[in-house]
Amino acid sequence: AQSVTQLDSHVSVSEGTPVLLRCNYSSSYSPSLFWYVQHPNKGLQLLLKYTSAATLVKGINGFEAEFKKSETSFHLTKPSAHMSDAAEYFCVVSNTGFQKLVFGTGTRLLVSP
Amino acid sequence: DAGVIQSPRHEVTEMGQEVTLRCKPISGHNSLFWYRQTMMRGLELLIYFNNNVPIDDSGMPEDRFSAKMPNASFSTLKIQPSEPRDSAVYFCASSSWTSGNTDTQYFGPGTRLTVL
Repeated sequence: AQSVTQLDSHVSVSEGTPVLLRCNYSSSYSPSLFWYVQHPNKGLQLLLKYTSAATLVKGINGFEAEFKKSETSFHLTKPSAHMSDAAEYFCVVSNTGFQKLVFGTGTRLLVSP
Repeated sequence: DAGVIQSPRHEVTEMGQEVTLRCKPISGHNSLFWYRQTMMRGLELLIYFNNNVPIDDSGMPEDRFSAKMPNASFSTLKIQPSEPRDSAVYFCASSSWTSGNTDTQYFGPGTRLTVL
């Protein structure tokens, strides 16, 4: 079975400072990993996806994540936060080749001026 | 592309009433997923279809819930009778499924259901 743990329920940053959202995963097989973002009262939008190609994955809006097998981590980073980044972020895992996604509990990112 | 379309966006109903949520997947996608999001339980997969056939409905909470996909461009999630604990946001997602891959799922805007 697979699972994902998002280590922080809330992260607060100032505009222009780096963002780090932490995610650890557990998977019985080779994992596929995703980060989705959800703005208030909106659906989920894919930020980036890892499927056993390059370990450093670049996504939309300047976000990137690094797959570290030895640490079973897939942390999301961005060099400089923007006010529009304020949203809920979900780390998601699946066993590669399977369709069922397992979602983390989410991290709410707050960005202050 | 219009993306995944869900209707209605908001539904308020009374306990005991039948509720039908609708979803139109992205054209050309052959997999469709229904999720429920609540504060207590987060995002849960209810059921998914491949090529209009239900593959896994183990997440459907009980017999009051049913889902159909009569064709490649339409799916419904029905709750009968509805209960206050069914209040949640229900998301539909679709993907272009290829065997052996975990394909990206594209989500609709959701239906916010309130059962009084």
